[in-house]
Amino acid sequence: DAGVIQSPRHEVTEMGQEVTLRCKPISGHNSLFWYRQTMMRGLELLIYFNNNVPIDDSGMPEDRFSAKMPNASFSTLKIQPSEPRDSAVYFCASSWAHSGGAGETQYFGPGTRLLVL
Amino acid sequence: GESVGLHLPTLSVQEGDNSIINCAYSNSASDYFIWYKQESGKGPQFIIDIRSNMDKRQGQRVTVLLNKTVKHLSLQIAATQPGDSAVYFCAEIHGNQFYFGTGTSLTVIP
Repeated sequence: DAGVIQSPRHEVTEMGQEVTLRCKPISGHNSLFWYRQTMMRGLELLIYFNNNVPIDDSGMPEDRFSAKMPNASFSTLKIQPSEPRDSAVYFCASSWAHSGGAGETQYFGPGTRLLVL
Repeated sequence: GESVGLHLPTLSVQEGDNSIINCAYSNSASDYFIWYKQESGKGPQFIIDIRSNMDKRQGQRVTVLLNKTVKHLSLQIAATQPGDSAVYFCAEIHGNQFYFGTGTSLTVIP
């Protein structure tokens, strides 16, 4: 079975540009999570969805960040405009959860390594 | 130059020895715990989990111990191998709250 799929795997962009990260969760999972990992702050939860509905976005750092989940098999994390301090590895994870819950075991994708110059 | 960032606890073990990685969790109401392994350049990978109604669970070469009295979780790896070198995270779950620890870096010396 395919795991969580993320694209692109690497992204290098210039400050001010829009960045869109994509995620396809594991089929049958109903919860999807976006994380950011940096050396300074470790692994941070940005937002998570349950049944395509955002449940907790308190980790989204600024209005420059937005996330959508138009259907059960696709989600995007957008940064507009991007800044150098957004450079990090962004992980998407999915799990099965009862309604509104964070679920149990989360399965992580390989991550997108973002560098904003 | 000096690096700035998280100072992960580190553990170095000889190949073949047993490893013990510790984690202190914060919420006494957390009822589910997971250990993840993250190799360089990869995403975290599930290793083993345990629910709060248990104090020990064993997998293949790994054992997780839960001490709810002191809110402590440990991961024991038997006969550590070079492929076990990675950062290990514990996660605690309570309802829809999910918290990751900062991680411990394990290095296996051949």
